[in-house]
Amino acid sequence: AQSVTQLDSHVSVSEGTPVLLRCNYSSSYSPSLFWYVQHPNKGLQLLLKYTSAATLVKGINGFEAEFKKSETSFHLTKPSAHMSDAAEYFCVVSVKAPNDMRFGAGTRLTVKP
Amino acid sequence: NAGVMQNPRHLVRRRGQEARLRCSPMKGHSHVYWYRQLPEEGLKFMVYLQKENIIDESGMPKERFSAEFPKEGPSILRIQQVVRGDSAAYFCASSPIGQGARETQYFGPGTRLLVL
Repeated sequence: AQSVTQLDSHVSVSEGTPVLLRCNYSSSYSPSLFWYVQHPNKGLQLLLKYTSAATLVKGINGFEAEFKKSETSFHLTKPSAHMSDAAEYFCVVSVKAPNDMRFGAGTRLTVKP
Repeated sequence: NAGVMQNPRHLVRRRGQEARLRCSPMKGHSHVYWYRQLPEEGLKFMVYLQKENIIDESGMPKERFSAEFPKEGPSILRIQQVVRGDSAAYFCASSPIGQGARETQYFGPGTRLLVL
């Protein structure tokens, strides 16, 4: 069965500095990988997804993620953090069907002025 | 095009009561998923439905929980005889006719259930 591990439960950055949220996955098959963002008391919004096309995936709001099969990683990055980026971020892996999505425990991003 | 709608957004129940959570998928979406999020945890899959069919309920507790997605109207997640451990955020997601594992799911804002 597939699984995903988000390596940091909490990341704090200053506004204008880079963001790195780390995600490692485990899967016996070629995975689809997603990053979702959840703002307080809101639903989850898709940031980006990887589905076996280009390994560098660009998403909304300036985020991007790189699929590295050799490292089984799918880290999320952004060159310059904005205050509005403060939220919970979830890395998700899916293999065979939409009902087998597995969510990481989440990384809470704090952005300091 | 309205997004996935869930109501109520907040629900308070006493132990032993029933909780009914409703989800209206995005227009044109025929697949609905329910997830539960406990504090400090990621989302856990509960059930996957298509119109009038339960496709996968492997994540549903064996007792007290049921789900339906009728031909007309919203999907309903029903929890009978709630206990304090049922307190959580329940999210609904929908997707159009499938692309399998590549399918993007669109999430609603969630229902926060508190059991007193």
